Amino acid sequence: EAQVTQNPRYLITVTGKKLTVTCSQNMNHEYMSWYRQDPGLGLRQIYYSMNVEVTDKGDVPEGYKVSRKEKRNFPLILESPSPNQTSLYFCASSPLSSTDTQYFGPGTRLTVL
Amino acid sequence: AQSVTQLGSHVSVSEGALVLLRCNYSSSVPPYLFWYVQYPNQGLQLLLKYTTGATLVKGINGFEAEFKKSETSFHLTKPSAHMSDAAEYFCAVKGASYGKLTFGQGTILTVHP
Repeated sequence: EAQVTQNPRYLITVTGKKLTVTCSQNMNHEYMSWYRQDPGLGLRQIYYSMNVEVTDKGDVPEGYKVSRKEKRNFPLILESPSPNQTSLYFCASSPLSSTDTQYFGPGTRLTVL
Repeated sequence: AQSVTQLGSHVSVSEGALVLLRCNYSSSVPPYLFWYVQYPNQGLQLLLKYTTGATLVKGINGFEAEFKKSETSFHLTKPSAHMSDAAEYFCAVKGASYGKLTFGQGTILTVHP
C-alpha cells in the first residue's frame, strides 16, 4: 500500500530535550516536506527536500533541522524543543511535478512542556 | 508569492443542505489549486484538484469546485450534506515552485441532523 508513515504519532517532551520525528514514504517520490498545523493558521511549511541531499527552508524553519540521506526518509529534528513548537506535524511527499498531488502522513502531535 | 484565504473558519449546515466553502487565492503565475479534507485525528486527504483544462472539477464524496480566474476563486460545493462530511477543509495553491503548497487557514464544517 502506498503511504507516508510518521513516528511517533504522539509525543510529550520537556523543553530542551532533543527529539526526532521520522517520516518514510514507499512511493519513490523525489519531493518531501514537513508542515506544522496550528489552529487558525492552517498548515505552514517548515522544510522541504527535492531529492537526496537537497533540502531547503520553508516558511517557518526556525528551531528545526532535517536531513535527506535516503530517498524514502526525511526525519525532522528538534535540537532544543521549546513550548512554542507544540503543534501537529505532517510529513508529505510527491513526485517532482507542479501538478502532482502531495500525499500526507497521519500526523505527529507534539507537546513540549 | 502566493496566498490563500478561506472565508469563514466555521460553517454549519443541516443534513441535506448545500455545502459552500469559499476559497480565494493570489498567485503571480497560473495556479494549481487543491482542496484537502481532514477528518478528526487523521491526516489530509485530497478531495480534488485543478491543474489545467475544465474549470469545473469533480472530486470524491460528491464534492466539486469551480476555478474562476476572474474572481481568483476556487469555492468548494456539495449539493447535499451528509453527517459524514463533518471535517476540516483546506484550500491550497501551488504556483511556480515545485512542490510548495500554500494552505488557507482551514474551514471546519459542522453538519446538523
